Amino acid sequence: EAQVTQNPRYLITVTGKKLTVTCSQNMNHEYMSWYRQDPGLGLRQIYYSMNVEVTDKGDVPEGYKVSRKEKRNFPLILESPSPNQTSLYFCASSSLPGNYYEQYFGPGTRLTVT
Amino acid sequence: GQQLNQSPQSMFIQEGEDVSMNCTSSSIFNTWLWYKQDPGEGPVLLIALYKAGELTSNGRLTAQFGITRKDSFLNISASIPSDVGIYFCAAPNAGGTSYGKLTFGQGTILTVHP
Repeated sequence: EAQVTQNPRYLITVTGKKLTVTCSQNMNHEYMSWYRQDPGLGLRQIYYSMNVEVTDKGDVPEGYKVSRKEKRNFPLILESPSPNQTSLYFCASSSLPGNYYEQYFGPGTRLTVT
Repeated sequence: GQQLNQSPQSMFIQEGEDVSMNCTSSSIFNTWLWYKQDPGEGPVLLIALYKAGELTSNGRLTAQFGITRKDSFLNISASIPSDVGIYFCAAPNAGGTSYGKLTFGQGTILTVHP
């Protein structure tokens, strides 16, 4: 089954404790992206990647890191999480060239930072 | 960054009613998209619009790309309980250094009473 998977699905952590949220897709997609969803703000793009070893900042990249060493994986790293990073996070992927905006989303990771 | 303004923010309707929502921006876009997020899930692409004035249907859903290229509209006819969810408009940034970016609206939360 074609899908985007994220782990963990739920995470409660403390301020300053480094964490990684993994994202993997089995559709051989070149494009991958991370979003955060907050009430009243919709989805905001954190980082995106057009292909292996190519990453770019979205609209809210501060406090996050990403890497794209393999085509199928795009982990999101929070080096020193803070309470304002409490949010619902989504990973997405799409095929290239062309319509990168027609994206397949993962099920989401709900992160709470205390 | 570019902003998309969705309205209304929420809607409470009776089963069988028609629904209309819209998305506006001060910027011109070449593509408009509508995604739906079911409760507890990631967003799923409903409709993509590529040409100003275009009217596209997907079952009971009809979306339009505004003539000015600064807005888009989504209509749902004869609503049913499974239409419940959050509807997002989205638009990709123009080319150049912003190629790969995708901006979402704040979302319209739809509740359907049986």
